[in-house]
Amino acid sequence: SQKIEQNSEALNIQEGKTATLTCNYTNYSPAYLQWYRQDPGRGPVFLLLIRENEKEKRKERLKVTFDTTLKQSLFHITASQPADSATYLCALGSSNTGKLIFGQGTTLQVKP
Amino acid sequence: GAGVSQSPSNKVTEKGKDVELRCDPISGHTALYWYRQSLGQGLEFLIYFQGNSAPDKSGLPSDRFSAERTGGSVSTLTIQRTQQEDSAVYLCASSLAWGSTDTQYFGPGTRLTVL
Repeated sequence: SQKIEQNSEALNIQEGKTATLTCNYTNYSPAYLQWYRQDPGRGPVFLLLIRENEKEKRKERLKVTFDTTLKQSLFHITASQPADSATYLCALGSSNTGKLIFGQGTTLQVKP
Repeated sequence: GAGVSQSPSNKVTEKGKDVELRCDPISGHTALYWYRQSLGQGLEFLIYFQGNSAPDKSGLPSDRFSAERTGGSVSTLTIQRTQQEDSAVYLCASSLAWGSTDTQYFGPGTRLTVL
């Protein structure tokens, strides 16, 4: 069955450092991969989308890579700030449906 | 403009009772999605609507769960004869169209607690 794995352990880093979060998947060939941010008590908020034929996508301090051979996406936040502390979810989608399959999320804590 | 809204924000019910959860999507969004998030878990897809029709109901956990959407807008998720394992946050999202490249905008969720 389709499986998405994100590091279940919280990631703690110092302000100013680069945070790197991992999303691995098996038994799936997604056409797209999305990253969302979720704060406690709130719904997820869309951050970035990367397509299967794209290797890298950037938006301000965010960078996402997508390796369909390794079946892995990496999500980077450079010059991290305490305000970046949240849970980050990756989600996979296929080209013929709006249905997304979400990972369980990784909690990032940026310490000042 | 207004985002996706959900009501109630919290619902506590007794085992065996029926509950209705409501979602108001962003105006003009044709696609609407329901997800469930249990404590410490990712989002579990339940159902999605394209207009008023539901092409994919594969995520509904059992026949106690049903959903409808009327007028291409408001959607209601109904859980009959609730069980304790139904306790979770139920999230609704909408998008302009139904393709997976379309950004899904999420509501704040309804926290359901079944005693």
